[in-house]
Amino acid sequence: SQQGEEDPQALSIQEGENATMNCSYKTSINNLQWYRQNSGRGLVHLILIRSNEREKHSGRLRVTLDTSKKSSSLLITASRAADTASYFCATANTGGFKTIFGAGTRLFVKA
Amino acid sequence: DSGVTQTPKHLITATGQRVTLRCSPRSGDLSVYWYQQSLDQGLQFLIQYYNGEERAKGNILERFSAQQFPDLHSELNLSSLELGDSALYFCASSADLYSYNEQFFGPGTRLTVL
Repeated sequence: SQQGEEDPQALSIQEGENATMNCSYKTSINNLQWYRQNSGRGLVHLILIRSNEREKHSGRLRVTLDTSKKSSSLLITASRAADTASYFCATANTGGFKTIFGAGTRLFVKA
Repeated sequence: DSGVTQTPKHLITATGQRVTLRCSPRSGDLSVYWYQQSLDQGLQFLIQYYNGEERAKGNILERFSAQQFPDLHSELNLSSLELGDSALYFCASSADLYSYNEQFFGPGTRLTVL
C-alpha cells in the first residue's frame, strides 16, 4: 500500500479562497515533500519539511508536519486559477530510498 | 524548465514490442529515478541509479530494465509490452544519493500500447 495518502481526492474552490490538503503516511521519515503536477506534465517540487520541523512557509504555501500522527497538511492561501493542479505528498523511508508518492489531491480553482 | 530532458515525448507501439525511453538529468545531478504514472496505480517508483550504479528498486517488472551510462544519462527499456504498460513514464534527477531530497522531474514520455 502507498506510504502517503492524500485527502481529499478532489477539491473545488473559488479563486481567493484557501485550499487545504492532507497527507498521511505509515513509517518513520526523514522529511516529507509536496509536489505539484499540472495536467499530464512533470511534477514540480513545492516545499520540503524535515522531520524535526513542525511548520514551514513558502510564499502562499504553508506546510505542517505532525510526526506523532504521521500526517502533514498543505495550505494554499488566496488561491488563484493557476493553482489548479494535482498535489502530491512524497516520503522516503529513513534509509533514504524508494520515494513513495501518495495518490494526490486534484485541486480546481474557479475564476 | 527543470533541466531534465526526456525523449521521446510520445510513443505508440504494439503489444509484444520493446521500447527504450531516454533521460538526461540536470547538469551535475548524479541520481536518476524512473517513475510510472497510470490512472489506476498512481505514481509508482520504479528504480534509482546513482553515478552509474543501481541504488534502489521499486515496483519494477522483470520485463523492464534500466541503466545509467558514464555520461549519467539513463535509459529505461520496456519489453514484451502489454496494454497495461500504457502510462506516463517520468524521469527525475537529484544531486545526491538520497531520494528524500528534492527531485527534479522531466516532462515525461507518454507510452501508448495498442
